[in-house]
Amino acid sequence: DIQMTQSPSSLSASVGDRVTITCRASQSISNYLNWFQQKPGKAPKLLIYTASSLQSGVPSRFSGTGSGTDFTLTISSLQPEDFATYYCQQSYSTPWTFGQGTKVEIK
Amino acid sequence: EVQLLESGGGLVQPGGSLRLSCAASGFTFSTYAMSWVRQTPGKGLEWVSSISGSGGSTYYADSVKGRFTISRDNSKNTLYLQMNSLRAEDTAVYYCAKDLFQGAAAIRGWFDPWGQGTLVTVSS
Repeated sequence: DIQMTQSPSSLSASVGDRVTITCRASQSISNYLNWFQQKPGKAPKLLIYTASSLQSGVPSRFSGTGSGTDFTLTISSLQPEDFATYYCQQSYSTPWTFGQGTKVEIK
Repeated sequence: EVQLLESGGGLVQPGGSLRLSCAASGFTFSTYAMSWVRQTPGKGLEWVSSISGSGGSTYYADSVKGRFTISRDNSKNTLYLQMNSLRAEDTAVYYCAKDLFQGAAAIRGWFDPWGQGTLVTVSS
């Protein structure tokens, strides 16, 4: 199974900050990497697919980069509604696996 | 608007069975692969099973293989997960999710959107 490791596990940031979350795969997954946002009591929401493609309706302050084993999710200017937990997920091969999550909290 | 509505969760004893349903609307159900993903506080998000739009292909996580069966009724726009021989470690919120892109024979593992989830608790 492909292991997905996110860092950090949590971070504190202020509105307007630039935030970067990293995700590392245990083997190369090309660009088959997706990012989700989850708010408490809600289902995950797809933000970015194939490493850098912004899902329809997602604000442009979200961006993703990377290929192979190393990926990043960047929020260029953190907004109040962005405080949530973020997950990466590989769709390269089954079993499709998720990172453990990064909780973005208010500083 | 795409809508996915899960039902069927509840409390069940270890060794028992439960069938989850996911009623879909707002898209051509038969042309999209569908999946079940579960979430626990301890283990996070775990993919469980997927089925192609036609129903001809299915995938399972090793943790549920032989115990869970995914199926779909395209005439009713409904996805199912039959869960047998349930264990305490199956306790989770179960989400159904649609594949991002169309393809009756394809299963890509790009989950969008997700339903609101249904809680399954396995306990005596």
